[in-house]
Amino acid sequence: AQSVTQPDIHITVSEGASLELRCNYSYGATPYLFWYVQSPGQGLQLLLKYFSGDTLVQGIKGFEAEFKRSQSSFNLRKPSVHWSDAAEYFCAVGGVSGGNKLVFGAGTILRVKS
Amino acid sequence: NAGVTQTPKFRVLKTGQSMTLLCAQDMNHEYMYWYRQDPGMGLRLIHYSVGEGTTAKGEVPDGYNVSRLKKQNFLLGLESAAPSQTSVYFCASTRGSGNTIYFGEGSWLTVV
Repeated sequence: AQSVTQPDIHITVSEGASLELRCNYSYGATPYLFWYVQSPGQGLQLLLKYFSGDTLVQGIKGFEAEFKRSQSSFNLRKPSVHWSDAAEYFCAVGGVSGGNKLVFGAGTILRVKS
Repeated sequence: NAGVTQTPKFRVLKTGQSMTLLCAQDMNHEYMYWYRQDPGMGLRLIHYSVGEGTTAKGEVPDGYNVSRLKKQNFLLGLESAAPSQTSVYFCASTRGSGNTIYFGEGSWLTVV
């Protein structure tokens, strides 16, 4: 069955430091991969997506992610974190057969300390 | 553009009551979904639809029913609400495989 693992439930980084959020997936075919961000009490905002082509994907707000097929990973990175990046981040695998469904990871809560 | 709109945004129900959540999209999307979000569990798929008049079960369908009578609307019903259905519910839609999935802003439901 398709699954997404986000190993880190919480991460705390200092403002201005670099960030990497981990995501591993299990999916039999070529995956569509997504990162969403959710601020408290808000909906989900799409940060970036990978469908095919270049394995390094640029997104909004200065985020990027790299698809590594050999490691079944799609880690999210940002070179310098801002206090406004504090939120919960979800990795998801899409294009799941029988309805193009999204399967989500459990999420990683990012805290930014000043 | 309105995108994906969910109503109501907040609701408190008593155990055993029924209610319907409405999702409307104005993007002419074929696929629509209902997810629930619980702390530490991400979003889990309740039901989905691949077109008008069709529905299918997702990962956690028990206690919910859905209908897609019109292409733009996807209704989620709770026939007899239980405290375990206290959650945040998200509707989503997409044109199809390989396309971005758009989410509504969520509906906060509390069952007491």
